[in-house]
Amino acid sequence: AQTVTQSQPEMSVQEAETVTLSCTYDTSESDYYLFWYKQPPSRQMILVIRQEAYKQQNATENRFSVNFQKAAKSFSLKISDSQLGDAAMYFCAYRETGVIKAAGNKLTFGGGTRVLVKP
Amino acid sequence: ETGVTQTPRHLVMGMTNKKSLKCEQHLGHNAMYWYKQSAKKPLELMFVYNFKEQTENNSVPSRFSPECPNSSHLFLHLHTLQPEDSALYLCASSQVSGNTEAFFGQGTRLTVV
Repeated sequence: AQTVTQSQPEMSVQEAETVTLSCTYDTSESDYYLFWYKQPPSRQMILVIRQEAYKQQNATENRFSVNFQKAAKSFSLKISDSQLGDAAMYFCAYRETGVIKAAGNKLTFGGGTRVLVKP
Repeated sequence: ETGVTQTPRHLVMGMTNKKSLKCEQHLGHNAMYWYKQSAKKPLELMFVYNFKEQTENNSVPSRFSPECPNSSHLFLHLHTLQPEDSALYLCASSQVSGNTEAFFGQGTRLTVV
């Protein structure tokens, strides 16, 4: 079974600084997707960034970027120029490719990392 | 508004009550999910429906009964719950396959008293 581990329960960052959240996962698959979701106090889970395992290039979305190390099964998220609105729980998630109908599109989540942003 | 709507947002129920959670998606997706989010625990997948058919039941107790009448609606019927079932219940939808992410509702905060 796939597992996702986030070893940092909480991270604190100064506004405008950079913070990196770690995520490791375990799978025997060679093709899969990885995601970072953000959950602010409003509880809405929002996609931050995604990475396809077959792509070597690290994904980037504005101030958010990932460091994807497939051999090490590591998928860290870097938040640059942190803003007060970045304060939230961040979840790393894994999904199979979903090619087989019965497998569906289910996400396996890590335990989350709470990000605090200090003004 | 994300396209996935859950009602109610908050629910308090006694252990002998019967209630239902509702989820509706307007995104044209063909897969829907129920997740349970408890304090200090990872999100737990409960059920998966693909094309209205249940394809995953993650060893969920029978006091939780899902229903998916069509690809746009998903219900979670609750009866004789326990206090430890108090949690945030999140609904999500997606395409079954392809490079698409899951979209989540805002959740129902359930308290069992």
